[in-house]
Amino acid sequence: KNEVEQSPQNLTAQEGEFITINCSYSVGISALHWLQQHPGGGIVSLFMLSSGKKKHGRLIATINIQEKHSSLHITASHPRDSAVYICAADNTGNQFYFGTGTSLTVIP
Amino acid sequence: DGGITQSPKYLFRKEGQNVTLSCEQNLNHDAMYWYRQDPGQGLRLIYYSQIVNDFQKGDIAEGYSVSREKKESFPLTVTSAQKNPTAFYLCASSNDRSGELFFGEGSRLTVL
Repeated sequence: KNEVEQSPQNLTAQEGEFITINCSYSVGISALHWLQQHPGGGIVSLFMLSSGKKKHGRLIATINIQEKHSSLHITASHPRDSAVYICAADNTGNQFYFGTGTSLTVIP
Repeated sequence: DGGITQSPKYLFRKEGQNVTLSCEQNLNHDAMYWYRQDPGQGLRLIYYSQIVNDFQKGDIAEGYSVSREKKESFPLTVTSAQKNPTAFYLCASSNDRSGELFFGEGSRLTVL
């Protein structure tokens, strides 16, 4: 069993739709990271959170520590949001566990 | 601008050859990592280093070697002992205080 599970694996949406990507983890964490990987392969960090909710533009990340669950929401999705979104659990001491990613395609 | 630079972006290698992937960061981070990414799998840890002149094996270290002679540099050598080296390799570093993760653009290695 993987320490971090993401769903769905693949997601296709129409431009403008509200999108939710889910992440469940089984390890104790000091923080949960949401990462974005574009087709070229480079990865950028979107959020790092240990409680509650964070918002950046059209992206919102939430975490429920008791349920060991986090969600990434994208409001008013746009084709440029098409990417792979990866959830990563920081198991303290610089040890990270990664989900397999959610491939998002937003159609104009 | 601070960041992580990986090179080369694409690399082709014949079987039996060693190849070294470069990773340089100017973020002043102590912790650096090498990950391997294969289709349908999460990132897997090859090696990590938390301080200069020290590094630890990750989950899939066999067939790989690293060095950490300078804080800024953490090169990865893929040796001929690595049975299935064709993959996408990502270097990362983390801020020791905030825990934030930073990644390079990756190196795609293909063994012919």
